[in-house]
Amino acid sequence: DAGVIQSPRHEVTEMGQEVTLRCKPISGHDYLFWYRQTMMRGLELLIYFNNNVPIDDSGMPEDRFSAKMPNASFSTLKIQPSEPRDSAVYFCASSYSNYGYTFGSGTRLTVV
Amino acid sequence: GENVEQHPSTLSVQEGDSAVIKCTYSDSASNYFPWYKQELGKRPQLIIDIRSNVGEKKDQRIAVTLNKTAKHFSLHITETQPEDSAVYFCAAGPGGGADGLTFGKGTHLIIQP
Repeated sequence: DAGVIQSPRHEVTEMGQEVTLRCKPISGHDYLFWYRQTMMRGLELLIYFNNNVPIDDSGMPEDRFSAKMPNASFSTLKIQPSEPRDSAVYFCASSYSNYGYTFGSGTRLTVV
Repeated sequence: GENVEQHPSTLSVQEGDSAVIKCTYSDSASNYFPWYKQELGKRPQLIIDIRSNVGEKKDQRIAVTLNKTAKHFSLHITETQPEDSAVYFCAAGPGGGADGLTFGKGTHLIIQP
């Protein structure tokens, strides 16, 4: 298996623009997580899915953030409109039965 | 929700010495405690984990201990090597069910030659 695949690896966008981050989990994993990493706040859980269903989105900072998982092999995290304070590394992770998370390589987002 | 505290934030040890990183958690419902290693610019990678029905687990030079009564767990690395230099994160969660992992803020481990 190729592991958790995220795209793009880097994204630079202007404030106010829409940003879409993509994730392909490991086949057979039933949980998918979106985390945000910053120096100040560390690794923060934004939202997670179980069997493609969003379970807890209480970590999503604002209504500007949304996430979807239309099928077992694909998820997106969208920010609209983006702001400079959204600059961070966004990680997607997947797991089986909520143990042993495997992280993707992350998307480094810079909003200018 | 769960709150995980991790200490120290930076740890510098001589090559060959041991390193210990400690974490405490708040939610007694947590029963799964993994540790991740993150090298600069890379993804966090799982290095060892422990479940609440076990007090200690070892894998070569690394070991993790868990005290459920006191709600704390620790990572021990023996015979440290230069490639052990990285940021280490502890995490806690229910495992096998609801809620995602809550991570500590990380420990930057520096191995001095």
